[in-house]
Amino acid sequence: AQSVTQPDIHITVSEGASLELRCNYSYGATPYLFWYVQSPGQGLQLLLKYFSGDTLVQGIKGFEAEFKRSQSSFNLRKPSVHWSDAAEYFCALESSGNTPLVFGKGTRLSVIA
Amino acid sequence: EPEVTQTPSHQVTQMGQEVILRCVPISNHLYFYWYRQILGQKVEFLVSFYNNEISEKSEIFDDQFSVERPDGSNFTLKIRSTKLEDSAMYFCASTRDETQYFGPGTRLLVL
Repeated sequence: AQSVTQPDIHITVSEGASLELRCNYSYGATPYLFWYVQSPGQGLQLLLKYFSGDTLVQGIKGFEAEFKRSQSSFNLRKPSVHWSDAAEYFCALESSGNTPLVFGKGTRLSVIA
Repeated sequence: EPEVTQTPSHQVTQMGQEVILRCVPISNHLYFYWYRQILGQKVEFLVSFYNNEISEKSEIFDDQFSVERPDGSNFTLKIRSTKLEDSAMYFCASTRDETQYFGPGTRLLVL
């Protein structure tokens, strides 16, 4: 069965500090992987995706993520966090194109001055 | 930039009532989805729709639920007789290049 685990429920970082949000997945092959962000009262906005090829993918808003097959991970990173990055972040996998997404429980990011 | 839209943004209903949640997917997208997120829980898949028929559905999507694409733009989710446990945020998504784009959601509260 497919599953996504986001071990951190809530993370607090200082503005300007670096950020890494963890995501681990369970799937028998290499899935498609996504990070979405949800600001309060908003929908799910796509940050970045990995299908194949280069394991370091760049996304919007200065985010990047690295796919590590050996660790079944797809961690999200940002070198310098801005206060506007405070939101809920969801990692998701798709077994193949145009199939349902399986989501993690999300990590809530708080940013302090 | 085209977006998925959903109406209403909020809906309050009495248990046992029927509700219809509406979505307008991005034009020229081919696959459509409904997901829900119960407060404090994961986003869960309900149903996918392609070529005017259901392509996949989850265990959650029982006989109380139905989907329809009544015209070329709208995609609806109907819950025939709402239960308290149907209270959740419902998200619509559409996709073309194997990437799902989500609407802002409808928050449904069943009393």
